[in-house]
This record gives sequence, structure tokens and C-alpha cells, in this order.
Amino acid sequence: EDKVVQSPLSLVVHEGDTVTLNCSYEVTNFRSLLWYKQEKKAPTFLFMLTSSGIEKKSGRLSSILDKKELFSILNITATQTGDSAVYLCAVRDNYGQNFVFGPGTRLSVLP
Amino acid sequence: EAGVAQSPRYKIIEKRQSVAFWCNPISGHATLYWYQQILGQGPKLLIQFQNNGVVDDSQLPKDRFSAERLKGVDSTLKIQPAKLEDSAVYLCASSHTGTTRSVWTDTQYFGPGTRLTVL
Repeated sequence: EDKVVQSPLSLVVHEGDTVTLNCSYEVTNFRSLLWYKQEKKAPTFLFMLTSSGIEKKSGRLSSILDKKELFSILNITATQTGDSAVYLCAVRDNYGQNFVFGPGTRLSVLP
Repeated sequence: EAGVAQSPRYKIIEKRQSVAFWCNPISGHATLYWYQQILGQGPKLLIQFQNNGVVDDSQLPKDRFSAERLKGVDSTLKIQPAKLEDSAVYLCASSHTGTTRSVWTDTQYFGPGTRLTVL
């Protein structure tokens, strides 16, 4: 059964700090790994990763995938209070093509 | 481009009652998903449709949950009868369909969700 584990489950930092969120996975036939940001509403897409070692970057957020060690990290530099949210990691396999989500990391950025 | 629409946004019912949720995906998206998200957890897939056919319903509690997508567009999810543990946010998402791996096919767009409280 496909499985996604995220750590830490909760994190409190101050504005300006840099954070690293972790996602490890077990999937039978890996297709892609996705990161989402969920505030009070529905998850919004951040990154899709398919290849090892290629960093995806968007502003202060970046992410990278290691398919050998089966994990991904999401980095946020110079955090702002608007970064406070739950960050979800999901993996997709090539069989059913469905998405398996991790429990999420709840990030709180204090002013 | 209009987003995924869901209704109602909130619903409060008593246990053993029935409830139905509606979802209208983004136009042109052949794949539609229903997720259950319990507070503090990640979304759990309940059922996945491609057009009007079911791709995966392995985690749908079929004794009480049912879903349909008769014309391959809108979908409804029903719970009958509801239990206390069904209290959750029910998310609908849609995506393009294709075997070629790309952001275009692998990105899901989520609706605002329906928050269900079972008393």
C-alpha cells in the first residue's frame, strides 16, 4: 500500500527564519510527487517533482526530490506570516494514478 | 477559467440522517476525485472517476457512501446513514487525464470543500 510520511507534523518559527519540511514515501510505481499549501480552504498546488536532483523554485519556496532515498524536501526562506499554513505532500503512482497524501506539516510563522 | 464548485459549503446533520454533496469540476477535466479530510489529517481519496466511469473506489465505505457522475461532468457524493466519524471536510478535485506525465495532467484543482458536522 502506498504511504506518505511528513515531518515535522507541526512547526513554529519567527518571521525571517528558514524552514525545511520533509516528505518520505513508499509507492509501488512512482510517477510524481506534489506539494500543496492548504490554508483555511482547499489545497493549492505548489510544485510537481518527477526527477531526482532537479530543484523547483518559486520565489522563496523551493523543493527537490531524491528518488533513490524516496524523499523530498520543501524549503521556505525568509518566512512571512502569510506562509502559515498546512503543507501537504502527495505521491502519484502509475497504476491507479490516484494521489496519496501525507498528514501535512502545520507551519506557524510568528511576527 | 472557473474553478471547481462545491455545494453546500457547510452542513450539520444528526447521526443516521442522509446527506448529499455536489461537485462541478473545471470544464474539460475528465478526472474527478472525492476526498475526505478529517481534522488534522491529509485528504484521503474516497473515489476517482474518469469521465463517468469509476477508476478507484477501494477506500469508499460502500455500505453507507455512494457516488455518481452520470454524464461525466457533475458528481454527487451521498452518505446514508451518517455516523459521527463522518464529520470531516469533503473535498472535490479535478484534473486533466493523460498518460503523459506533466504538470498539466498531474495537477489537481480543488474545490472549497464541504464541512460536514454529524451530531
